[in-house]
Amino acid sequence: DAGITQSPRYKITETGRQVTLMCHQTWSHSYMFWYRQDLGHGLRLIYYSAAADITDKGEVPDGYVVSRSKTENFPLTLESATRSQTSVYFCASRPGNSGNTIYFGEGSWLTVV
Amino acid sequence: QKEVEQDPGPLSVPEGAIVSLNCTYSNSAFQYFMWYRQYSRKGPELLMYTYSSGNKEDGRFTAQVDKSSKYISLFIRDSQPSDSATYLCAMSASTGANNLFFGTGTRLTVIP
Repeated sequence: DAGITQSPRYKITETGRQVTLMCHQTWSHSYMFWYRQDLGHGLRLIYYSAAADITDKGEVPDGYVVSRSKTENFPLTLESATRSQTSVYFCASRPGNSGNTIYFGEGSWLTVV
Repeated sequence: QKEVEQDPGPLSVPEGAIVSLNCTYSNSAFQYFMWYRQYSRKGPELLMYTYSSGNKEDGRFTAQVDKSSKYISLFIRDSQPSDSATYLCAMSASTGANNLFFGTGTRLTVIP
């Protein structure tokens, strides 16, 4: 049971470059989420998706783009990376529109220099 | 003011101690409460899930919710070195909420 797989796990990129973080889940969960985790802020929601082709903004969406053409994939793109986007990014999923338990991936450590 | 406040620690205790981790919140609409455990370089994993006020016990772990005080706690009995991790509280006002409100996490070290 692979669950949620994120790639890359670690990435260093330069300011202004485009970066895509991949997320793949094998559970066929309808909901998927992207969070970022920063010291002093905890986990903050960037974007979420209720189903394929349905996405919506979370608390901190600026500078990020998402897509969801297939249920199992939910990539997060930083169109022009900035140093403030240095963070740990977690993809997560949830089975349906009831319940609150979400399941996290292992995280992607991104450093923007 | 943040929706959820959590003392970041760090907290160090000897093996076998009882650990108390706490969160306070400001939104009286919150009624679903969760505790996640996060090991270093890993994603958070759900530890406890409670609804409304009261206690819930699972092995060495007890989650307690006091909605009148807007205060939740996680107690760990007979703490083990394997309990060393960061503990995050999370909460929401409704089931199926699209966003959970997380605390910043408390880092716990259990010393053998």
